[in-house]
Amino acid sequence: AQTVTQSQPEMSVQEAETVTLSCTYDTSENNYYLFWYKQPPSRQMILVIRQEAYKQQNATENRFSVNFQKAAKSFSLKISDSQLGDTAMYFCAFMKLHDISGSQGNLIFGKGTKLSVKP
Amino acid sequence: DSGVTQTPKHLITATGQRVTLRCSPRSGDLSVYWYQQSLDQGLQFLIQYYNGEERAKGNILERFSAQQFPDLHSELNLSSLELGDSALYFCASSPGLQKAYYGYTFGSGTRLTVV
Repeated sequence: AQTVTQSQPEMSVQEAETVTLSCTYDTSENNYYLFWYKQPPSRQMILVIRQEAYKQQNATENRFSVNFQKAAKSFSLKISDSQLGDTAMYFCAFMKLHDISGSQGNLIFGKGTKLSVKP
Repeated sequence: DSGVTQTPKHLITATGQRVTLRCSPRSGDLSVYWYQQSLDQGLQFLIQYYNGEERAKGNILERFSAQQFPDLHSELNLSSLELGDSALYFCASSPGLQKAYYGYTFGSGTRLTVV
């Protein structure tokens, strides 16, 4: 079974600075997808960024980028130029690539990291 | 607005009761997923439907059941409610089994409080 671990329950950062959220996972799969979701106080789950395990290049989306280390099973999220609106819970999640039984698409989430951006 | 609609937004009910949570997926999406978010367990996958058929089950209790209707909306039924069932219940949708890796679209959730 796959597991996802986020070792930092809470973090804080000053506005405009950079912060990195950690995520490690355990799987015997070779092909899979990894995601970071953001949950602001509105509680809406918002997709921040995704990474295909078969791609070596790290994904980037504007101020958000990942450091994907497949051998180490590590998938950290870097937020540059932090903004007050980045204050939220951040969840790392894992998805298997293929499962003909139909279970493809199920996300396994970490416990989350609560990020506070301070003015 | 994500395009995934969940009703009601809030629900308060007593122990032993039964409730139904409703989800309308984003237009064109065939897969619906239900997740439970509680303080102690985090986000847990409950069940998945694709085009009306159950495709996968996660940590769903026997007291819980779900279905997806021909118009693709889905309902999650929770019965014999216990205090521990208090949680935020999310519905999410994706275009299909082969498109889930693009990431889901989540609804805004139903906050269930059992008293």
